[in-house]
Amino acid sequence: DQQVKQNSPSLSVQEGRISILNCDYTNSMFDYFLWYKKYPAEGPTFLISISSIKDKNEDGRFTVFLNKSAKHLSLHIVPSQPGDSAVYFCAAYGGATNKLIFGTGTLLAVQP
Amino acid sequence: DTGVSQDPRHKITKRGQNVTFRCDPISEHNRLYWYRQTLGQGPEFLTYFQNEAQLEKSRLLSDRFSAERPKGSFSTLEIQRTEQGDSAMYLCASSLGGVDKLFFGSGTQLSVL
Repeated sequence: DQQVKQNSPSLSVQEGRISILNCDYTNSMFDYFLWYKKYPAEGPTFLISISSIKDKNEDGRFTVFLNKSAKHLSLHIVPSQPGDSAVYFCAAYGGATNKLIFGTGTLLAVQP
Repeated sequence: DTGVSQDPRHKITKRGQNVTFRCDPISEHNRLYWYRQTLGQGPEFLTYFQNEAQLEKSRLLSDRFSAERPKGSFSTLEIQRTEQGDSAMYLCASSLGGVDKLFFGSGTQLSVL
């Protein structure tokens, strides 16, 4: 039962353009959503989060949008830089759970 | 370095052997989580501790797996009678109070031959 889904295993973008990574969830009890970035041979690192009471959160080049009715969120990176090349995981929690549920990840490659 | 540290970084073992991994969380963090990640998948929750108490275990954690966090500081994850399906990256994370903003270690890559 995959409660958090990232349907695009990979994405390639030119440097300076916008990267859009998508995430869908099925559990309506989720009320907090996070994005993590992972480089090879390292653990995931927190990037940005959003509460279900908001529909947008921005931090520098990174913006997360939440559409609760569609159970969909997206991460926008603009402008994309080669150093952004990594695997991005969407994660969620809510209700009685005390653990993050992760998606399968999207490998972003930013071409110079 | 005051981040989450895991030891060893890599472990190769033969099927049927026991292995133990260690995690040292960020010192003031009271929550400690274990996750497992296989190729092409996201991290999957295994178990978590609040201080020394193990509060939740996943169904993924079979009887061959045991985790401890004595004194609420470092934690160990032991796998007995390893199987090839146990091959994965085992990730430890810690947090202060909540489940948001988990800080992950670099993981232990287990290969069972």
